[in-house]
Amino acid sequence: GDSVTQMEGPVTLSEEAFLTINCTYTATGYPSLFWYVQYPGEGLQLLLKATKADDKGSNKGFEATYRKETTSFHLEKGSVQVSDSAVYFCAPRGAGNMLTFGGGTRLMVKP
Amino acid sequence: NAGVMQNPRHLVRRRGQEARLRCSPMKGHSHVYWYRQLPEEGLKFMVYLQKENIIDESGMPKERFSAEFPKEGPSILRIQQVVRGDSAAYFCASSPSGVAADTQYFGPGTRLTVL
Repeated sequence: GDSVTQMEGPVTLSEEAFLTINCTYTATGYPSLFWYVQYPGEGLQLLLKATKADDKGSNKGFEATYRKETTSFHLEKGSVQVSDSAVYFCAPRGAGNMLTFGGGTRLMVKP
Repeated sequence: NAGVMQNPRHLVRRRGQEARLRCSPMKGHSHVYWYRQLPEEGLKFMVYLQKENIIDESGMPKERFSAEFPKEGPSILRIQQVVRGDSAAYFCASSPSGVAADTQYFGPGTRLTVL
């Protein structure tokens, strides 16, 4: 079945630092790829997505590029803020419509 | 446009009782998905439903768990005879039909605590 490997957290950064959260996946075919963000005590919010190879998803300063050759979808942001502190989930959507989630990466941004 | 609604937000049950979790999808969405999140873990797929049909229940435990999405009203996830291991956050997501079905939108979740 599909699977996701995310870098383990917590990732602790100072405000305005550069962020990279690595994500690699295994899936049948060419799935759509998603990043979701979960703030404490809340549900998941869609952050960005990409539906085919070389697509770049972007939102709120975050970016991720669909790399078919390396089956990766790394999340980046040039300058993080304290308000970005949350748990980030990478998730491919397979042929059966279900999302497969990794364990999530907790980001902590210090002022 | 209201998002995905779930209720209750918090539910406490004693072992052996039944838990009923409700999910109202976004307006115009006909696909519903249920996921479970154990503490400090990612979400795990449970079941995928369309109106009056279960499309994929490969993630549902074989016993005590059931789900429905009737023609009228919310989707219901039902857990009979709850045990402590059922304590988790249960999230519902919805998507529209067609090409736009690609993206799932999540509700705030129901946090079930079994005493």
